[in-house]
Parts: sequence; structure tokens; C-alpha cells
Amino acid sequence: KNQVEQSPQSLIILEGKNCTLQCNYTVSPFSNLRWYKQDTGRGPVSLTIMTFSENTKSNGRYTATLDADTKQSSLHITASQLSDSASYICVVSAIGSARQLTFGSGTQLTVLP
Amino acid sequence: EAQVTQNPRYLITVTGKKLTVTCSQNMNHEYMSWYRQDPGLGLRQIYYSMNVEVTDKGDVPEGYKVSRKEKRNFPLILESPSPNQTSLYFCASSFAGPASLREQFFGPGTRLTVL
Repeated sequence: KNQVEQSPQSLIILEGKNCTLQCNYTVSPFSNLRWYKQDTGRGPVSLTIMTFSENTKSNGRYTATLDADTKQSSLHITASQLSDSASYICVVSAIGSARQLTFGSGTQLTVLP
Repeated sequence: EAQVTQNPRYLITVTGKKLTVTCSQNMNHEYMSWYRQDPGLGLRQIYYSMNVEVTDKGDVPEGYKVSRKEKRNFPLILESPSPNQTSLYFCASSFAGPASLREQFFGPGTRLTVL
């Protein structure tokens, strides 16, 4: 069964600090992995997409990594801001699947001043 | 502005009273989907539609119905809501095509409470 596990479940950091969120998956055959940011009460918004051949991709202060061999991804946030407080969801897509997506349960990040 | 809209945003109802949550997108997307989000469980797919008149079950379809008569609209119907359908619901849409390139755009969510 395809699964996506994220850790930690929740994280509290001080503004300006860095943090790293983890995502492990067992989706097969792997197509791509996306990180979404979901602000409280709003729909998820895509931050970055990683395909099989990509190891690292950045989007401003967000850097995602992918190790397709170990089936792990991480999302690193640099110099955190209060607006980074949100849930970060890892979503993995399987090749050939019309239902497409397996969602992780998310990491709730709180950035304190 | 390109967007996915849902109505209503908040709804409190009673067990057994039929309701419909509307979803509309203005991006000419072929693919539309409904998800529910519950604490600790993440997003789970209810139904999806690859195109007009083409719908299929997701992971948790029991108690829900959908229709896709027009490309832009994908309503979610609860014929006889029950308290276990209390949840936060999201509609999403994307272009059809290779899964590797498809980004889903999500609506703002509908918070449903069934008493």
C-alpha cells in the first residue's frame, strides 16, 4: 500500500531560525513528490515539485531535497518568518495512477517571535 | 484571477438533511477532485473526475455523490449526512496529462458540521 509519512508532526521554532521537515514514502512506481504549504483555514498551495532525476530544488527560502534510493525527501526552511507558520504537506504521485496522489498528514510548523 | 471556488465556506446541518457543496474552477482544467481533511489523517480523496461525465471513486467515497455535467463545475452531494462526515472539505483541479507535471490547485475549503 502506498504511504507517505512525515516527521515531526509538529515543530516550534523561533523567528530567524532554520528548520528541516522530513518525508518518507513507499509510493511505487514513483513519479514525483510535491511539498505543499497550507495556511490555517485555507487550501494547500504548491511550494515545489521533485521528479526522479532531481536531488535539490529551491524556492526562495525553501529548499527541497529528494533521495529516490532511500525514498526520502526533506524541506529545509531558512531564516524562518512568522508567515512560515503553517502545515507542510508532502504529496507523492505514482506513475499511471489516475487517483494520482498519496498525501502525508503534514507537519505543523509554528514560528514564534 | 485563476481560482477554485467553493460554496458554502461553512455549513452546519443535521443528520439526514441532503446538502450540496459546489465547486467551480475558471482555469479550463479537465481534472477535478474532492478531498476531506481530518485531524491526524491528512487529505483523503473522496471522488475525482478526469473530464466531463467521467467520475470515479477515491479512497473514501461512502456517503458521497458527485456529478460532472460541465467542465468547470464539480458539486459534492451528501444525500443523507451523518456526524462522521463532519470534516473540512477541499475541491481541487488540474490539467489532465502526465501525473509528473500536474499541479493541483485547491479551493479555500468548506467546513461542514453534521449534528
